[in-house]
Amino acid sequence: SQQGEEDPQALSIQEGENATMNCSYKTSINNLQWYRQNSGRGLVHLILIRSNEREKHSGRLRVTLDTSKKSSSLLITASRAADTASYFCATDAMDSNYQLIWGAGTKLIIKP
Amino acid sequence: ETGVTQSPTHLIKTRGQQVTLRCSSQSGHNTVSWYQQALGQGPQFIFQYYREEENGRGNFPPRFSGLQFPNYSSELNVNALELDDSALYLCASSDLREETQYFGPGTRLLVL
Repeated sequence: SQQGEEDPQALSIQEGENATMNCSYKTSINNLQWYRQNSGRGLVHLILIRSNEREKHSGRLRVTLDTSKKSSSLLITASRAADTASYFCATDAMDSNYQLIWGAGTKLIIKP
Repeated sequence: ETGVTQSPTHLIKTRGQQVTLRCSSQSGHNTVSWYQQALGQGPQFIFQYYREEENGRGNFPPRFSGLQFPNYSSELNVNALELDDSALYLCASSDLREETQYFGPGTRLLVL
């Protein structure tokens, strides 16, 4: 079963706008990661945030984590056409022995 | 490019047949995880191998089995294929001490 739930399931915005995706999970975690997947191919790691962190930045990406609400958000600023992809959150649960448990993803479309 | 390769890229089998998928890990990584991703869904953890031993298993039946070799490459074997086994199969290599996983491009399996 899936640990995370991404919201929204799909998002379509104009190039240059900001895109925000949310992820909720069920159990206590060591960390939460965001990955990107283009056209049903391999996943690319974007950013990892640990359970004791609240916010992290990487280039145009900003991730927040609220462990009390068991939720995370991924913000992509100044979106580009190349950001069109599916975005997944994955959690490394405390009792999971390094296994990642994934949500169903948000499909992001950037319109030129 | 993650340095993780998978073969074949596509495969068509019929129900009841057996299939072997292969994965070469990124240099220096001692852990391989396998995932099944159905169309429109997030990856589902199948199992993980660390130094040739199974290190965790998801909710998949015994007809899904694996191997990891001394060079840390890996195989996923699926016996008695069912139509629902049609999916993208992803392998990811990592160092067990690190949380980030590096994914290959996947093998798309179609069972008819």
